[in-house]
Amino acid sequence: QQPVQSPQAVILREGEDAVINCSSSKALYSVHWYRQKHGEAPVFLMILLKGGEQKGHEKISASFNEKKQQSSLYLTASQLSYSGTYFCGTEDTGNQFYFGTGTSLTVIP
Amino acid sequence: GAVVSQHPSRVICKSGTSVKIECRSLDFQATTMFWYRQFPKQSLMLMATSNEGSKATYEQGVEKDKFLINHASLTLSTLTVTSAHPEDSSFYICSAEPGGGRETQYFGPGTRLLVL
Repeated sequence: QQPVQSPQAVILREGEDAVINCSSSKALYSVHWYRQKHGEAPVFLMILLKGGEQKGHEKISASFNEKKQQSSLYLTASQLSYSGTYFCGTEDTGNQFYFGTGTSLTVIP
Repeated sequence: GAVVSQHPSRVICKSGTSVKIECRSLDFQATTMFWYRQFPKQSLMLMATSNEGSKATYEQGVEKDKFLINHASLTLSTLTVTSAHPEDSSFYICSAEPGGGRETQYFGPGTRLLVL
């Protein structure tokens, strides 16, 4: 039931791109993306509600493939401030919400 | 932007005592608030959904008699960990929704509980 994220961890140099994937075994109504810094609560990044929807702002965007029950988060030209753990959150058609397994992202100079 | 506060931010208590954690939406009304627990290096786990004026809905495996939730107003929900034990030590986070659906959740800063 808990969505599986990949990769589990990734290290990037400033300016490099990254893709984080979130895969669910259930039919989804929506996918949320969050970033959590160590010792802090998660910060909401974006929500995708429709199949095939793609959203983004600045250099962080995401897509949602409803048929494949998958979502991907795209980080381009990464900055040091992007470091943290990224979680997807999925709401299935039965109104159950689960956070994903998490992806640790470290951006180094 | 929407702000959610939690109090206290950290608490240390002895085994067997009860601890109350408050979650407040400061600049909006929240019909629904959520309580999560996060163990070190693990994902957040939803504990319960709190609706103003009605009983909370607990996730499977969460003891409702141990984790008492009260959502007395549209801006305040409380989580009371009763008879706390060391295994209850965790990071507890609340979130609140301005609207009726799970469109956007605003998270509180979290409460770190340590039970000795």
